[in-house]
Amino acid sequence: EPEVTQTPSHQVTQMGQEVILRCVPISNHLYFYWYRQILGQKVEFLVSFYNNEISEKSEIFDDQFSVERPDGSNFTLKIRSTKLEDSAMYFCASSLAPNTGELFFGEGSRLTVL
Amino acid sequence: EDQVTQSPEALRLQEGESSSLNCSYTVSGLRGLFWYRQDPGKGPEFLFTLYSAGEEKEKERLKATLTKKESFLHITAPKPEDSATYLCAVQAYGQNFVFGPGTRLSVLP
Repeated sequence: EPEVTQTPSHQVTQMGQEVILRCVPISNHLYFYWYRQILGQKVEFLVSFYNNEISEKSEIFDDQFSVERPDGSNFTLKIRSTKLEDSAMYFCASSLAPNTGELFFGEGSRLTVL
Repeated sequence: EDQVTQSPEALRLQEGESSSLNCSYTVSGLRGLFWYRQDPGKGPEFLFTLYSAGEEKEKERLKATLTKKESFLHITAPKPEDSATYLCAVQAYGQNFVFGPGTRLSVLP
C-alpha cells in the first residue's frame, strides 16, 4: 500500500540551527501539506503546496519556514534558526485532490530543539 | 474564527461496551467534517468525510454522523485495537483544516 515517508524520524538540534525535514509523498498525489503537533496539543496546519507553489499558509508559517519540492519525489520543510518552541512532531501529508478531507499522513519527524 | 471542540477528553471502555464521541464545531460555511484516528507516535489516519447534516458513514465498528452543529463517532462493541486518539477536523470553504484536540479512547479487554 502506498504511503507517505518522512525522514528523519527524530532530529535533535541546537537553538539557532537550521533543520530540513524531508518527505516523500504518495507518487500520484498532487497536493502536499505540512502540519505540526506540539506534544499534548492539537494538530496544526502549517502550509499547503500545489503545482510548485504555496497555495495556503497559516500564521505559524512565518519567514522562518520554507518549503520546496526539489525534485519529482521529495517535499521538504526548512526551519531556519530554530527556536525552543519549534520542538514538535512535524507531519507531512499528501492528497490526490484538494478539499477531499482524505489526507494521507506520514509517521512524522520529531524535532527537539535544545 | 473556526472552533472545534471534542468530548470527552478521554474515555475508557470495556471491550464490547458501545459509546459515542462528540465533536462540536463553529465554522462559517462548512465544506466538510473529517474524522481521523491517531495512534501514539503516528500520523493521523483518515476515517470519514461528512459533508452535510444528516449524512452518515460506517466502517466496521465505527459510524459517523453529522448535524449542523456537531458530529458523533459511534463505536459499537469496541475491541482493544480500537484504542487510539480520535480526531475531528473541519474545513470551511476556502480554508484549510482545523483539528480538534481529540478524544483519547482506551478499550480494556
